Amino acid sequence: GQNIDQPTEMTATEGAIVQINCTYQTSGFNGLFWYQQHAGEAPTFLSYNVLDGLEEKGRFSSFLSRSKGYSYLLLKELQMKDSASYLCATMDSNYQLIWGAGTKLIIKP
Amino acid sequence: GAVVSQHPSRVICKSGTSVKIECRSLDFQATTMFWYRQFPKKSLMLMATSNEGSKATYEQGVEKDKFLINHASLTLSTLTVTSAHPEDSSFYICSAPDSDHESSEQFFGPGTRLTVL
Repeated sequence: GQNIDQPTEMTATEGAIVQINCTYQTSGFNGLFWYQQHAGEAPTFLSYNVLDGLEEKGRFSSFLSRSKGYSYLLLKELQMKDSASYLCATMDSNYQLIWGAGTKLIIKP
Repeated sequence: GAVVSQHPSRVICKSGTSVKIECRSLDFQATTMFWYRQFPKKSLMLMATSNEGSKATYEQGVEKDKFLINHASLTLSTLTVTSAHPEDSSFYICSAPDSDHESSEQFFGPGTRLTVL
């Protein structure tokens, strides 16, 4: 079967670092995505990993281990505007996205 | 990046009426588009895959006669919610993958909030 797990909610402090984990089991694998979604808005693309390792993009980094079926999104120097839901999704062999339920990140001053 | 638009952004309708939502890829061609539905505080649920020139592929549990999909051209897909009821109220989002599957990024429309009274 296909399954993606990520924590439901996390809380962090402004200026700190937070890591959001995602584990997956999917049939076929064409990469893993992280999206950010603010309430009432469509998701916006953050990162795409298809090979093992760390991809860094400004304050955001994403890591993938295909052998472990594991990814994380690392957010540094947290800002209040980073309060949002973060969605982990894998792309299967048919290029369809399989979505996790999302992690609601709450940033406190 | 590529741009996907949706129209309308919000619609309020009476129970029993039909509502059409358009999804357009503005600067690229999309042979495939995806339609999602999202309930409050829930993740996106894939409803169907829209294929240009052929019938849409519906996910299990999604009524194809209720949610009509037409992929009329390489830049336009429409979702029609027929005989809408209050339980159809939701946030509907379309996406289209980059034609270069190696990059695999999907581009999302801004979404359409449907409220059925």
